[in-house]
Order: sequence, then structure tokens, then C-alpha cells
Amino acid sequence: EAGVAQSPRYKIIEKRQSVAFWCNPISGHATLYWYQQILGQGPKLLIQFQNNGVVDDSQLPKDRFSAERLKGVDSTLKIQPAKLEDSAVYLCASSLSRGPNEQYFGPGTRLTVT
Amino acid sequence: KQEVTQIPAALSVPEGENLVLNCSFTDSAIYNLQWFRQDPGKGLTSLLLIQSSQREQTSGRLNASLDKSSGRSTLYIAASQPGDSATYLCAVRNDYKLSFGAGTTVTVRA
Repeated sequence: EAGVAQSPRYKIIEKRQSVAFWCNPISGHATLYWYQQILGQGPKLLIQFQNNGVVDDSQLPKDRFSAERLKGVDSTLKIQPAKLEDSAVYLCASSLSRGPNEQYFGPGTRLTVT
Repeated sequence: KQEVTQIPAALSVPEGENLVLNCSFTDSAIYNLQWFRQDPGKGLTSLLLIQSSQREQTSGRLNASLDKSSGRSTLYIAASQPGDSATYLCAVRNDYKLSFGAGTTVTVRA
């Protein structure tokens, strides 16, 4: 079974530029999550999708971050404009459903904002 | 709001020693607790998942216990090896959210 795929793996941009990350979840997984992991901290949930609908985006900085999950499969997370404090690893995860099912994580995208 | 704490933040042991990693959480109304391993520059690999009704789970050299009433979980790794060097994160599930600790970084010296 293929795991969660993410791209790119690494990205370096200057502040005020924009960037987009892509995630392809495990086939058949209805729930998709985006997390932000700042160095030395645990991952923090940014947004959760159930199929193509948003169920929780309470910690997403909506003035600069946006995310979509068209057709309930792949998802993209965008930052525009980026700030220095956005430097982090962005992790995508998926699970079968919203219930207390195990989450499977992708390798992450390491973003450096200079 | 669920707060998850992992102590110590870092641990260094000689090869062969048993590892004991601690996790505490403030809200005991959890669905489950999960232990993850994270290697540098990599994503998270799930090690063990304990449902709220369970007291422990075992997989090979790994054993995780859960005391929901006291808000604690412990991950035991028997006979540590240099390949066990990584950061170990615990995460608790409330409602539909997973809350993570900051992790314990383990170094096993050959």
C-alpha cells in the first residue's frame, strides 16, 4: 500500500514570496490533515478535511494561509505572503475517517523563509 | 485545551540499556494515545496506538502503557540499539483532534 506522498520535500523562499505544497493521501482515506511543525515542537494541526469539506481550520492563519482539497483526494496548502516565522516542516496526514482512526503521515516539506 | 508534555526533552544511553519515555496529558477524556518516531528530516512513523479502554500495547521490543485517570503514558524500549536513536512523540486524541507533545530526542551510544 502506497503511503502519503508530499512534494516538494524542501523549499527555500524569501519573505513575502508565495509557496504551495502538495499532498496525495493514502487511497480511500476520507480525512486529510495539514500540520505545521516548528523546530523543537510537536506538530500543530492547521486544517482538517473530510472528503472535500473543511471540518476544522481554527488554527489556520487565514490572512496568509489557504488550503483546498478538490475532488476529495489531493490537497494543496498555500502561503502568501510568507513570513520568517513560517519556517517549519509541513506535514500531511490521512486517515480512513474522522473517527479515532490511526493517522498516517507523509515525509513532510521543509520550508525555509529567508 | 489539551496540553501534552514529554519529559525529558533529551536522553542519551549506552547500547543495551532499557529506555523509559514519559508522556503526560491534562484532559483524560481521550479516545486513544499514539506513539510516533521521527527521524531527522523525515515524517512521523506510528509505533503503537493504545485505545482509551486499553492499559497497554506491545510490539516487539516496544511496550506502551496508558493510565488515563492520571493522564500518563510510558513507552518502554527494551535493549536499546543505536538504530533506536530518533525523536519520540506522543499524541493524544480528543474529539477529532490529535494533540502532540514536543518529543523526547533519544541517542543510543554504541
